[in-house]
Amino acid sequence: GQNIDQPTEMTATEGAIVQINCTYQTSGFNGLFWYQQHAGEAPTFLSYNVLDGLEEKGRFSSFLSRSKGYSYLLLKELQMKDSASYLCAVLDSNYQLIWGAGTKLIIKP
Amino acid sequence: DGGITQSPKYLFRKEGQNVTLSCEQNLNHDAMYWYRQDPGQGLRLIYYSQIVNDFQKGDIAEGYSVSREKKESFPLTVTSAQKNPTAFYLCATQTAENEKLFFGSGTQLSVL
Repeated sequence: GQNIDQPTEMTATEGAIVQINCTYQTSGFNGLFWYQQHAGEAPTFLSYNVLDGLEEKGRFSSFLSRSKGYSYLLLKELQMKDSASYLCAVLDSNYQLIWGAGTKLIIKP
Repeated sequence: DGGITQSPKYLFRKEGQNVTLSCEQNLNHDAMYWYRQDPGQGLRLIYYSQIVNDFQKGDIAEGYSVSREKKESFPLTVTSAQKNPTAFYLCATQTAENEKLFFGSGTQLSVL
């Protein structure tokens, strides 16, 4: 079966750095997405990785290792508004999106 | 402004009742999707449509129906056959199959 694993919940301190991991086992791979979702709101796109390596976009970076079936989202200089759920999703060989359950990130002052 | 509009924001269903969730977009995107989101679970695909007058079942289509008579509109009906409809429903559009999804603001459906 196809599977995406993320930690259920993480806690970090304002101003710090946090890394949210995502491991996947899917039938084929055509890219990995990270979305941010505040409670009761729509997910918003953060990043897309299809090749191995690190993609940096401001305070947020996303890393992919296809051989290990692994990705992480790195958030720097954490702000209170970063408190949200972070969703990992993989495009399989049929271009169907497989979603992880999301990681709830709690930022403390 | 271009975007996706879902309505209503909150909806209550009585037992045995069908309810319809609206999704309208002016992004001119061909592909539209309906997802269900339950606490502690990933998004699950209900139905999707790649083109007008055509749609396909997703992973959890039972108890739901859709139509795609216009490019802009993709309404979802939750029928009485769906015995556990309480969830957050998200509509999304996409420009191409390997591109990001654009999401509407969601509809929270609850059972009275």
